[in-house]
Amino acid sequence: GENVEQHPSTLSVQEGDSAVIKCTYSDSASNYFPWYKQELGKRPQLIIDIRSNVGEKKDQRIAVTLNKTAKHFSLHITETQPEDSAVYFCAASSLGGSQGNLIFGKGTKLSVKP
Amino acid sequence: DTEVTQTPKHLVMGMTNKKSLKCEQHMGHRAMYWYKQKAKKPPELMFVYSYEKLSINESVPSRFSPECPNSSLLNLHLHALQPEDSALYLCASSQDYPLLNEQFFGPGTRLTVL
Repeated sequence: GENVEQHPSTLSVQEGDSAVIKCTYSDSASNYFPWYKQELGKRPQLIIDIRSNVGEKKDQRIAVTLNKTAKHFSLHITETQPEDSAVYFCAASSLGGSQGNLIFGKGTKLSVKP
Repeated sequence: DTEVTQTPKHLVMGMTNKKSLKCEQHMGHRAMYWYKQKAKKPPELMFVYSYEKLSINESVPSRFSPECPNSSLLNLHLHALQPEDSALYLCASSQDYPLLNEQFFGPGTRLTVL
């Protein structure tokens, strides 16, 4: 079955710096890769996702890149702000396929220092 | 309405109690999920309902009993729980199962078993 590895487990950056979180997946049938942000005591919130037919997607300060050949995808946050502090989870799924569930990485705790 | 709602927000129960968690969505989604999340861990899939029928049971102990009364509602009945069952219980929904689009999470119920 699918396995998703996420690195680093913790990341501390200075406000205004960029942050990058990387995930690798094992199942070449996976074609949907969402990123969730979970603030302390709150729900996982979908912040951006990418499908395998594109290599990059951007939404303001957040971008996701996908390398299908290498089976890895990354979350990039630019101009970080204290409110970006949270745990970020990557996930993989095969839309409409046999692996119909989200397989999550173990999470990255991002701390943005003012 | 683009939200998944859950009640109660917090629940404390003894090992002999019977309680229920409730989840509701009005997005017309046909798939609903129960996840269990321990601190500093990703959500762990428990059950998936598709078109009000149980599609996935991830070998969850029988002290957890899901129910889907209609396409908008999902319950999780709890009986004879153990202290290690204390966790955040998240409900989620998506348009279809297997997953074809985004999956959205509710705010969760923080369960403490004494």
